[in-house]
Amino acid sequence: SYVLTQPPSVSVAPGQTARITCGGNNIGSKSVHWYQQKPGQAPVLVVYDDSDRPSGIPERFSGSNSGNTATLTISRVEAGDEADYYCQVWDSSSGGVFGGGTKLTVL
Amino acid sequence: QVQLVQSGAEVKKPGASVKVSCKASGYTFTGYYMHWVRQAPGQGLEWMGWINPNSGGTNYAQKFQGWVTMTRDTSISTAYMELSRLRSDDTAVYYCARVAGIAVAGKYFDYWGQGTLVTVSS
Repeated sequence: SYVLTQPPSVSVAPGQTARITCGGNNIGSKSVHWYQQKPGQAPVLVVYDDSDRPSGIPERFSGSNSGNTATLTISRVEAGDEADYYCQVWDSSSGGVFGGGTKLTVL
Repeated sequence: QVQLVQSGAEVKKPGASVKVSCKASGYTFTGYYMHWVRQAPGQGLEWMGWINPNSGGTNYAQKFQGWVTMTRDTSISTAYMELSRLRSDDTAVYYCARVAGIAVAGKYFDYWGQGTLVTVSS
């Protein structure tokens, strides 16, 4: 089965840039999607197809994907960005695959 | 606007079954695959499978094959997920999630239900 690996936690000061990685075998050949989940809430899509943003998501959220690593980048981090972030791909044999999640802490 | 509204919290005993509903509105229910994802307390997201509301066809994650059943009632735009032979480690929040794209089985999830907490306890 296909496995996605994320760091358990990332910490960043307000106004700085946060980078959350998602590792997978040749993940660059797949489309990667990212979700933000705040406590007690359902996940919200923040980036899809590697680097596209749904309407309503700030331009501060961006994504990239190459080789064995996809990255979600959050620029000018705000306190309201503190949340868990999950990467996700669709794999032909495994189906929907999520990374283990990364807790973003805004210092 | 698109909305997915799920049924309320459930408490079940080990060995029982639970059926969670997901009522869709604001779009053509039969046009978009519906997936189910669960999240155990303090844990990550786990994909369970999908149902094609148009045909009723299903595809379950290997882990859940044989003990999850996904159905739908197109007359009321509602999808269902039934999990049988519940164990304590099935305690989780269960989400329905719509896949973006008409008649697309697997992609990303653009709309999610609010979640249904299922607690399995003796």
